[in-house]
Amino acid sequence: QKEVEQDPGPLSVPEGAIVSLNCTYSNSAFQYFMWYRQYSRKGPELLMYTYSSGNKEDGRFTAQVDKSSKYISLFIRDSQPSDSATYLCAMSLTSGTYKYIFGTGTRLKVLA
Amino acid sequence: DADVTQTPRNRITKTGKRIMLECSQTKGHDRMYWYRQDPGLGLRLIYYSFDVKDINKGEISDGYSVSRQAQAKFSLSLESAIPNQTALYFCATQGQETQYFGPGTRLLVL
Repeated sequence: QKEVEQDPGPLSVPEGAIVSLNCTYSNSAFQYFMWYRQYSRKGPELLMYTYSSGNKEDGRFTAQVDKSSKYISLFIRDSQPSDSATYLCAMSLTSGTYKYIFGTGTRLKVLA
Repeated sequence: DADVTQTPRNRITKTGKRIMLECSQTKGHDRMYWYRQDPGLGLRLIYYSFDVKDINKGEISDGYSVSRQAQAKFSLSLESAIPNQTALYFCATQGQETQYFGPGTRLLVL
């Protein structure tokens, strides 16, 4: 069993839809949770991070962590064609550690 | 200018050849990493370096070697390339909150 599981997609949605992207994990010691966005032929870039449980909002993006269920989510409101990318979840014991565990990524297409 | 740069961006080579991928950063970070990305497997850590004199193997270091020439430069070498090293390779640096990735090198080993 992988430490982090993520549905690869692709996920196709119409412009303006609410998108939900999810990851599950097995290591209950993870405390630091991240979402990266990766455009085609580019490196991953950090979108959001959260510590421990709870929600964090940044514009159209909301990150949610449910440690009891070992489940994290990224919600994108009012999705735009420019949101079309692969979204990677990542997690670690702390923010400063070298060891990040990445999901395989979910490919999202937002149709105009 | 990009904070983390990688050269070359694309490379085709033959089995048995030695190749080097280079990474430079202007972020002033001490920690640098090399990952490979494969479909269905995600990002996997090859090597990491905490500073010029501290280099460590990651989870998939076999067949690879690295050199940290300076704080800003970290190179990855494939001593004798094989087809299953065909992948997308990323260099990254470590900041306080996250790792910052370069644009990647697409490597094809024939």
